[in-house]
Amino acid sequence: QKEVEQDPGPLSVPEGAIVSLNCTYSNSAFQYFMWYRQYSRKGPELLMYTYSSGNKEDGRFTAQVDKSSKYISLFIRDSQPSDSATYLCAMTKGGGYNKLIFGAGTRLAVHP
Amino acid sequence: DTAVSQTPKYLVTQMGNDKSIKCEQNLGHDTMYWYKQDSKKFLKIMFSYNNKELIINETVPNRFSPKSPDKAHLNLHINSLELGDSAVYFCASSLGKNRRASTEAFFGQGTRLTVV
Repeated sequence: QKEVEQDPGPLSVPEGAIVSLNCTYSNSAFQYFMWYRQYSRKGPELLMYTYSSGNKEDGRFTAQVDKSSKYISLFIRDSQPSDSATYLCAMTKGGGYNKLIFGAGTRLAVHP
Repeated sequence: DTAVSQTPKYLVTQMGNDKSIKCEQNLGHDTMYWYKQDSKKFLKIMFSYNNKELIINETVPNRFSPKSPDKAHLNLHINSLELGDSAVYFCASSLGKNRRASTEAFFGQGTRLTVV
């Protein structure tokens, strides 16, 4: 079993839809949770960052962390074709030197 | 004004060859990483250096040897390339330990390696 599980999709939604992306994890030591967006043939770029449990909002994006359930989510409101990309969740224990543990990535297509 | 830059962007080579990938960051970070992304998009860490010192070395064949001449550069040399080495290799950087920012890694554009 992988430390981080993420449904690879693909997920196809119409423009304007609310998108929900999720990851589950097994290591309760993870404290820092991130979402990266990766466009085709590009490097991942950090989208959202959350420490421990709770919600964080940034424009159309909301990240949620539920440590009790070992479950994290990314919501995209009013999705746009420009949101079409692969979304990777990542997490780490924090403290000291960290290695990010990534999910497999969910491929999202937002069609006009 | 590129933050993390890798060269080359594409690399096609024959089995058995030796090749190098270079990485440079101008963010002032002191920790750099090499990640491998396989054909299924799964991204996995290979190495990490902090101020030229190796701090993370995952289970990677010893044909892969990272070298960090200074904290702004981290190169990856691969000996005796195999078909299974075909992947996209990403360099990344972040600030040092004991800071929240150390968990926020910035990635380069990747080097697409194809071994034929």
